[in-house]
Amino acid sequence: DTGVSQDPRHKITKRGQNVTFRCDPISEHNRLYWYRQTLGQGPEFLTYFQNEAQLEKSRLLSDRFSAERPKGSFSTLEIQRTEQGDSAMYLCASTFSGGAVEQYFGPGTRLTVT
Amino acid sequence: KQEVTQIPAALSVPEGENLVLNCSFTDSAIYNLQWFRQDPGKGLTSLLLIQSSQREQTSGRLNASLDKSSGRSTLYIAASQPGDSATYLCAVKTSYDKVIFGPGTSLSVIP
Repeated sequence: DTGVSQDPRHKITKRGQNVTFRCDPISEHNRLYWYRQTLGQGPEFLTYFQNEAQLEKSRLLSDRFSAERPKGSFSTLEIQRTEQGDSAMYLCASTFSGGAVEQYFGPGTRLTVT
Repeated sequence: KQEVTQIPAALSVPEGENLVLNCSFTDSAIYNLQWFRQDPGKGLTSLLLIQSSQREQTSGRLNASLDKSSGRSTLYIAASQPGDSATYLCAVKTSYDKVIFGPGTSLSVIP
């Protein structure tokens, strides 16, 4: 296992279309996080899973956003009816549960909504 | 509510200089603080992780310190190189298991 992977790396879509991103964490990690990062800003927390349970969602995650981690392994993040304001880098990270551990990040998916 | 700030927002130095990046946070109830490097258009690479009980961590030319009581961390880079050019982000892990990032410092090391 070489690390956290994300697919696709880049996505260009037209406003109003639905998009889905995938994250494959480090296999032994039970916790998975999604973040959104806009230009010149640090990543902002969106949601996280422990195994298959979604434990917290940010208020940034409107009802157009949904995330799943069906078997406690990979996760998907879907955005419905995309808007230009959704254009950002979407980052995934994985780790073990517990307070004293670091997160490992994937390369991100760059979304451009035209 | 935890807020993380980083100063300066951008920094340009000649090759070979030592430099310090600053990170401040408002709530001292943290599990750990992590420094990351991000190259343009790329994901984040972890540089150093400091547990809440630690004062500093070192890796090669990098040294990070943590003062929880004052809500500050510094990242010291010795003998900077052009390859160090990137954005440096600090992030604190809160007691609610959330990670809050600062906005980053954009570093340019001029050959």
